Amino acid sequence: DAGVIQSPRHEVTEMGQEVTLRCKPISGHNSLFWYRQTMMRGLELLIYFNNNVPIDDSGMPEDRFSAKMPNASFSTLKIQPSEPRDSAVYFCASSRATGPNEKLFFGSGTQLSVL
Amino acid sequence: SQKIEQNSEALNIQEGKTATLTCNYTNYSPAYLQWYRQDPGRGPVFLLLIRENEKEKRKERLKVTFDTTLKQSLFHITASQPADSATYLCALVPNYGGSQGNLIFGKGTKLSVKP
Repeated sequence: DAGVIQSPRHEVTEMGQEVTLRCKPISGHNSLFWYRQTMMRGLELLIYFNNNVPIDDSGMPEDRFSAKMPNASFSTLKIQPSEPRDSAVYFCASSRATGPNEKLFFGSGTQLSVL
Repeated sequence: SQKIEQNSEALNIQEGKTATLTCNYTNYSPAYLQWYRQDPGRGPVFLLLIRENEKEKRKERLKVTFDTTLKQSLFHITASQPADSATYLCALVPNYGGSQGNLIFGKGTKLSVKP
């Protein structure tokens, strides 16, 4: 299995531009999570999906952030317009289900820099 | 307030020694606690899960304890090696009945094992 695949690995953009991050979860996993990691705040959950349906988006910072999961093998996280404070590493993770004893499988992340 | 604290941001030890990392939490009643390893430029990788009715769990050179009275988990690496150098994160679902969508991560402890 190839694991969780994220693209791009690095993204440098200017303030005000739209940014789209992509994720392919592990085949057969029903749950998908988007996290953001910074030195100050650590790993923070932004949104998660179960069976392609958004379950909890309370971690999404503001309306500039949106996420979709059109099918079981693809998800996007979009920031429009981007701001310098959005600079962080964004991780996608998947798990077989959402039970509290399920382990998460993370992708390698997207390093986002907004200038 | 509710939070997870990992005892130190960094821990330096000599090869062959036992590394002990601490995870303390307040105001949570988790049924499970997880430990992950994160290497630079990579996503976290699941290591171990321990249930609240398990006092101790082992996997090769790794040992995790879970004390719900002290609200603390200890993560031990015996006979440490330079290859064990990484950041180690603890994570938990705050309450019974919660899902992985509620998984909260500590900020991690960066372990450096010197030859």
